[in-house]
Amino acid sequence: SSELTQDPAVSVALGQTVRITCQGDSLRSFYASWYQQKPGQAPVLVMYGKNNRPSGVPDRFSGSTSGDTASLTISGAQAEDEADYFCSSRDNSGKHNHVFGTGSKVTVL
Amino acid sequence: QVQLQESGPGLVKPSQTLSLTCTVSGGSISSGGYYWSWIRQHPGKGLEWLGYIYYSGSTYYNPSLTSRVTISVDTSENQFSLQLNSVTAADTAVYFCARVGYLSSWYWFDYWGQGTLVTVSS
Repeated sequence: SSELTQDPAVSVALGQTVRITCQGDSLRSFYASWYQQKPGQAPVLVMYGKNNRPSGVPDRFSGSTSGDTASLTISGAQAEDEADYFCSSRDNSGKHNHVFGTGSKVTVL
Repeated sequence: QVQLQESGPGLVKPSQTLSLTCTVSGGSISSGGYYWSWIRQHPGKGLEWLGYIYYSGSTYYNPSLTSRVTISVDTSENQFSLQLNSVTAADTAVYFCARVGYLSSWYWFDYWGQGTLVTVSS
């Protein structure tokens, strides 16, 4: 399967915890990576692999995978975390094909 | 710090070829260890991977676009390019170039260009 499904919209109160999920068959074979995108900007990598944060990404971001579902958790969400979040992985067709998730709009209340 | 910058026409006529170039600075494409990718985003929509290339010239394309897409690399200029043939209005999108890191079953797009809007219209 080459689809990654995300909840379209997720909201979180300021300072609370929010989990964004990404579901797809390919996640049984390949780890997800996660991207934050703010309006008019390019996506920014915030998580990859088992639970790897690029330099500069706050440690309130964490990642995990279980079965066919990957999760990105923001613990203590800040106003600046309001953005679209996309997951991505290589698909499991046996060829190099990469898919992105449908995207989740995170609103910080 | 690796930086990528897309360049090319912002307007392409239907049935013609869309051509974009990504110039990489702060790192050498020919050092290997990464793929160099094109991704697009239709207005208000999600991201679509178009394909990527290794410095050696090996290419991999999205199966849904493989008949129309060509990605090439010029290591002497530290650039890679995208050509998309026979464009229609459905190809109107913001086009991003990005570097792709990988390790076994991990892949990640770690550096992105700012993106360039390409409109297909007569």
